[in-house]
Amino acid sequence: AQSVTQLGSHVSVSEGALVLLRCNYSSSVPPYLFWYVQYPNQGLQLLLKYTSAATLVKGINGFEAEFKKSETSFHLTKPSAHMSDAAEYFCAVSGNSGNTPLVFGKGTRLSVIA
Amino acid sequence: DAGITQSPRYKITETGRQVTLMCHQTWSHSYMFWYRQDLGHGLRLIYYSAAADITDKGEVPDGYVVSRSKTENFPLTLESATRSQTSVYFCASKNTREAFFGQGTRLTVV
Repeated sequence: AQSVTQLGSHVSVSEGALVLLRCNYSSSVPPYLFWYVQYPNQGLQLLLKYTSAATLVKGINGFEAEFKKSETSFHLTKPSAHMSDAAEYFCAVSGNSGNTPLVFGKGTRLSVIA
Repeated sequence: DAGITQSPRYKITETGRQVTLMCHQTWSHSYMFWYRQDLGHGLRLIYYSAAADITDKGEVPDGYVVSRSKTENFPLTLESATRSQTSVYFCASKNTREAFFGQGTRLTVV
């Protein structure tokens, strides 16, 4: 069984400040991990993914995440927030067989204050 | 156009009516999924399919029916719509490493 916990349903940061969105997972098999972003009235766009290669994963729009097996975490960071980063962010886990469903966290809404 | 498309984008229906949401993908991915998105719940899996004619229940399957006669299509049917099924529905297809999502269907049951 797999599950994801995203700490904080709403995070607010100032423009230019560090963005840190937290994700912890539980998986009975080696996981694949994903971060998706959703802008209002849009579908989900993949930000980055961990698929058992490098533990530090770089994604689009300056985001990165680090897979820490000992902490069962996959936190998303960005050094400097931009107004355009305001959106809903979802962490997801799947098994590493390649053909298993993604299990999503409940999401974190990021607000960026000018 | 390549990708995954959902139709309709918006739908209003009455309680008790049957409604079908369509999903079509052009990559020939074996795996396809239906999720519903609700505030405070994130995305929850309704049904998934490993291949044509193979489907399985997800976390919240009650009140929904799926079929997959062709690899590229995965329709979701609400047999008798209820207000609790008001939601945004996302279809996805998946290769071995990544899932691709449609733009969603916003369904309102009145």
